[in-house]
Amino acid sequence: ETGVTQSPTHLIKTRGQQVTLRCSSQSGHNTVSWYQQALGQGPQFIFQYYREEENGRGNFPPRFSGLQFPNYSSELNVNALELDDSALYLCASSGGTGGSITGELFFGEGSRLTVL
Amino acid sequence: GENVEQHPSTLSVQEGDSAVIKCTYSDSASNYFPWYKQELGKGPQLIIDIRSNVGEKKDQRIAVTLNKTAKHFSLHITETQPEDSAVYFCAPGYTGTASKLTFGTGTRLQVTL
Repeated sequence: ETGVTQSPTHLIKTRGQQVTLRCSSQSGHNTVSWYQQALGQGPQFIFQYYREEENGRGNFPPRFSGLQFPNYSSELNVNALELDDSALYLCASSGGTGGSITGELFFGEGSRLTVL
Repeated sequence: GENVEQHPSTLSVQEGDSAVIKCTYSDSASNYFPWYKQELGKGPQLIIDIRSNVGEKKDQRIAVTLNKTAKHFSLHITETQPEDSAVYFCAPGYTGTASKLTFGTGTRLQVTL
């Protein structure tokens, strides 16, 4: 069974640039959630995707957007990067139906973004 | 939205002692109460969870207790070992459509020899 994989693991961008982060969900999981974890903080919910549609969103501006593909993999896109976007971005997959959390979230190891 | 507070923020115990971390939440609709462990350089990993129809759950050295009336739940680790050293997060949430977890700010547990 393949776990959640994320790429890239580290990247450095400058203010105003755009970034795309990628996530492959665990085999059999149809729901993907993205979290932002600033240094020393707990993960904050960005949004969740189920059946290729956004299925819930946290308190993040529209420049944070995403996609889910038919194979359940997902992308997180951030436009017009700001210094405060520097964080660890975590992807988590789950197997609940209807996008609901019925059990464990399986997290990847994250993509660490530094914005200069 | 859900307000989640976690105490203490840091905890140092000697190997073999017990550790207790408390989490308080505000959303009475929450019905799912997990605890996650995050080791350095890794994503969070579920260690134990409990649902609102249960007051206590135990898995070997780890237990979670829930007080829904008071809106708090606690993580109990007995006979701590050095490998228990990590950051622990509570993450109350609810099952249903568009569900999500709201993570606490974390507790750094250090188990010393």
